[in-house]
Amino acid sequence: DGGITQSPKYLFRKEGQNVTLSCEQNLNHDAMYWYRQDPGQGLRLIYYSQIVNDFQKGDIAEGYSVSREKKESFPLTVTSAQKNPTAFYLCASSADFYSYNEQFFGPGTRLTVL
Amino acid sequence: GDSVTQMEGPVTLSEEAFLTINCTYTATGYPSLFWYVQYPGEGLQLLLKATKADDKGSNKGFEATYRKETTSFHLEKGSVQVSDSAVYFCALSSRPQGGSEKLVFGKGTKLTVNP
Repeated sequence: DGGITQSPKYLFRKEGQNVTLSCEQNLNHDAMYWYRQDPGQGLRLIYYSQIVNDFQKGDIAEGYSVSREKKESFPLTVTSAQKNPTAFYLCASSADFYSYNEQFFGPGTRLTVL
Repeated sequence: GDSVTQMEGPVTLSEEAFLTINCTYTATGYPSLFWYVQYPGEGLQLLLKATKADDKGSNKGFEATYRKETTSFHLEKGSVQVSDSAVYFCALSSRPQGGSEKLVFGKGTKLTVNP
């Protein structure tokens, strides 16, 4: 079955540590996205990638970094510069950037900073 | 900038009750409008969409009509089931000047349906 996988489902981090969240898709989609979801708030766009080896900052990119070395993979690193990293992180993809409004989402990773 | 406002939740209904979740938007131009649903422990799924004024999106018994005059896209279902319990997000496609297109989401409305 085609879809998006995110790992791990739950992640705990000590303050000052970097942590990388995995996102893999086998939908053959060109575009991929990372969102952050906080309780009682909508999704906020962190980074997006229209194509391999290209990515752009979203609305809240500070303290985060990404790479897009392979079409199917778009890992997100939460760095120690992110002041409030505890949140639910969602990865999504779309066939291409022109189909950005029809996104398929992964199940998410819940990150907790201890 | 473009924005979406949804009714505050949570919403609790009995099975077979009528559901309305209000959504209004502010946008320049003519955005497409969407409802996404998030079941417990899962990512979001596209529920329905409408791309122009007076369009009605429908799926799984849910409906929403794009009302340009009231800038609204309210979600309705005539008879809810326990399996409809989820968080519902209204969203629009935004094309900000000088920026890239993106989806703008509302804060979400949690629906609980009791048997």
